Amino acid sequence: KAGVTQTPRYLIKTRGQQVTLSCSPISGHRSVSWYQQTPGQGLQFLFEYFSETQRNKGNFPGRFSGRQFSNSRSEMNVSTLELGDSALYLCASARGPGGETQYFGPGTRLLVL
Amino acid sequence: AQTVTQSQPEMSVQEAETVTLSCTYDTSESDYYLFWYKQPPSRQMILVIRQEAYKQQNATENRFSVNFQKAAKSFSLKISDSQLGDAAMYFCAYRPPGDMRFGAGTRLTVKP
Repeated sequence: KAGVTQTPRYLIKTRGQQVTLSCSPISGHRSVSWYQQTPGQGLQFLFEYFSETQRNKGNFPGRFSGRQFSNSRSEMNVSTLELGDSALYLCASARGPGGETQYFGPGTRLLVL
Repeated sequence: AQTVTQSQPEMSVQEAETVTLSCTYDTSESDYYLFWYKQPPSRQMILVIRQEAYKQQNATENRFSVNFQKAAKSFSLKISDSQLGDAAMYFCAYRPPGDMRFGAGTRLTVKP
């Protein structure tokens, strides 16, 4: 069974631009969560989607948004990029919400110049 | 407030020896899940082991086992017969109803 895939793997943007990251979950998984990983803040939860509905949202500004499609694929968007948005963005999928084990993708490394 | 605490930023173990990584967490929930994930230099997060809080029996996965102390809110990971491929960052994670929270990680070095 194919794992979680994320595209693109690497991205370079400039301040003020916006970016969209994509995540395809493991087949049969309907829950997708997004995390931001930085050296200073560690791993921080962004949001979780299940059946196209946002279930939980972390403590991030409104510039960070996401959505989930009917095939469970998810996208994350960051508008008006700031230097501090440079990070590894990880997507994780699970069969469902709650305590289901999350399986992670390889991540998208975003560099904001 | 920090929910998950990993007090050992770095640990080192000799190949074939045993090492224990510590993790404590803070919660008022009675039903939750705990995980250990491994992140090698490739940055791919890999599930090591999972524990349901309602289960008293400690989870084991081959060379990996946990010591889950619910009253003490402690969830340590024991790696037996350490191998060079075990070298990585190890993250303890706590999942209540809602989002998953990670500790700051412990960098494990395995010496040949």
